[in-house]
Amino acid sequence: KAGVTQTPRYLIKTRGQQVTLSCSPISGHRSVSWYQQTPGQGLQFLFEYFSETQRNKGNFPGRFSGRQFSNSRSEMNVSTLELGDSALYLCASSARYTGELFFGEGSRLTVL
Amino acid sequence: AQKITQTQPGMFVQEKEAVTLDCTYDTSDQSYGLFWYKQPSSGEMIFLIYQGSYDEQNATEGRYSLNFQKARKSANLVISASQLGDSAMYFCAMREGPKNTGNQFYFGTGTSLTVIP
Repeated sequence: KAGVTQTPRYLIKTRGQQVTLSCSPISGHRSVSWYQQTPGQGLQFLFEYFSETQRNKGNFPGRFSGRQFSNSRSEMNVSTLELGDSALYLCASSARYTGELFFGEGSRLTVL
Repeated sequence: AQKITQTQPGMFVQEKEAVTLDCTYDTSDQSYGLFWYKQPSSGEMIFLIYQGSYDEQNATEGRYSLNFQKARKSANLVISASQLGDSAMYFCAMREGPKNTGNQFYFGTGTSLTVIP
């Protein structure tokens, strides 16, 4: 069974640009969550999607957005990038009644 | 207040010995889940073990066990017979509410474990 796949793995952007990250969950998983990991703030919850609907949202500005498609694949977008957005962005999927998150390898974003 | 507290930024353990990584949590929910994840230098978060708040027995998964003390709100991870491949960051996490109500996890700051040959 294929795991959670995130693309791209690494990317470099400049301030003011926007970025889109993609996540394909484990087959059959309908919940997809996104987390930001930085050395200073640790792992912070961005948002969760379930059946194409945002079910939970963390405390991030509106520049951070996401969506989920009918095949459960998810994208997150960050607009008007700031230096502080440099981070490892982790996507995780979950089966509805088991609860544990299965993470992808992450997308490492560097903002210059 | 922090939802998850890990007070050990770094730990060292001799190969083949056991090590305990501490985790305390804070919630007013009756139903919640506690998780431990391992993050090697490659970055991927690997699920290790899960304990539900209503589970009466401590969870075990191979060399991993979770020492769950509900009254003290602690969920310590015990790794037995440490191996060099256990060197990594370890994160304690909590999900509040029942399993099917959402997946907002709260993570601790992590403990860096180094296994010494």
